[in-house]
Amino acid sequence: EIVLTQSPGTLSLSPGERATLSCRASQSLSSSYLAWFQQKPGQPPRLLIYGASSRATGIPDRFSGSGSGTDFTLTINRLEPEDFAVYYCHQYSGSPQTFGQGTNVEIK
Amino acid sequence: EVQLVESGGGLVQPGGSLRLSCAASGFTFSSYSMNWVRQAPGKGLEWVSYISGSERTIYYADSVKGRFTISRDNAKNSLYLQMNSLRVEDTAVYYCARSPFWGQGTLVTVAS
Repeated sequence: EIVLTQSPGTLSLSPGERATLSCRASQSLSSSYLAWFQQKPGQPPRLLIYGASSRATGIPDRFSGSGSGTDFTLTINRLEPEDFAVYYCHQYSGSPQTFGQGTNVEIK
Repeated sequence: EVQLVESGGGLVQPGGSLRLSCAASGFTFSSYSMNWVRQAPGKGLEWVSYISGSERTIYYADSVKGRFTISRDNAKNSLYLQMNSLRVEDTAVYYCARSPFWGQGTLVTVAS
C-alpha cells in the first residue's frame, strides 16, 4: 500500500498570501496519478488537480500542482477567503488507492 | 463531462443491509475501473472497493471484506455496492469514483 504523508498538518496564513502544501508518497507513483482535493465543512471533496498538474474544470489558475515520483506540491497563490479549507492528496496509481491525512489551511 | 450520481443511502440498524447505486455518464463506462470511497463524520477519506471495467478484478478494504460486494452493469452504466452486516463504524458518506472524478456522495447511517 502506498502511504501518502501530507505536510504541514495545519497552515495558518492570511488572505493574499501563498500556500504551499506538500504530499510525499512512500513509493514512486506511475504516470503521476496524483490528485488534490479541497473540502469545506459539510461539502464533498472538490477535485482541484489531477495528473499531478492538470487543473480540473472551473478551477481558478491560482491553484497549481507540481511534482513527480514521490514528491508533490499544491500551491495556492494569493489566498482568497473561500480557499480556507482542508486539502487532501490522493494517489490512484496503485491498488488500494490511498489518501493523505489532510492539510488544514486556516486563517491567521 | 464525467458525471457520477450516487443513491441508496439512508438509516439502517446494525446488522442490516443497504444497496448503493451510482449512475455514470459522460464517458464510456465499460472502459474504466470504478471505486467506492467513504468518509466517516469528521474523519478522513477511506478507499472501500475497486472493480475493473471487465469485472474480472475486484478488491476490498479489509474493513469491509466479506460484508460488502461491489458490482457493475455496463449496459446500464451503473455501479453498485451491496452492504450487508452493517456496523456502526460503517456510518459515512459513500462516494462513487472514476478516479480522480467523484460523485457528490450518499450518506449511510448505521444506528439503532
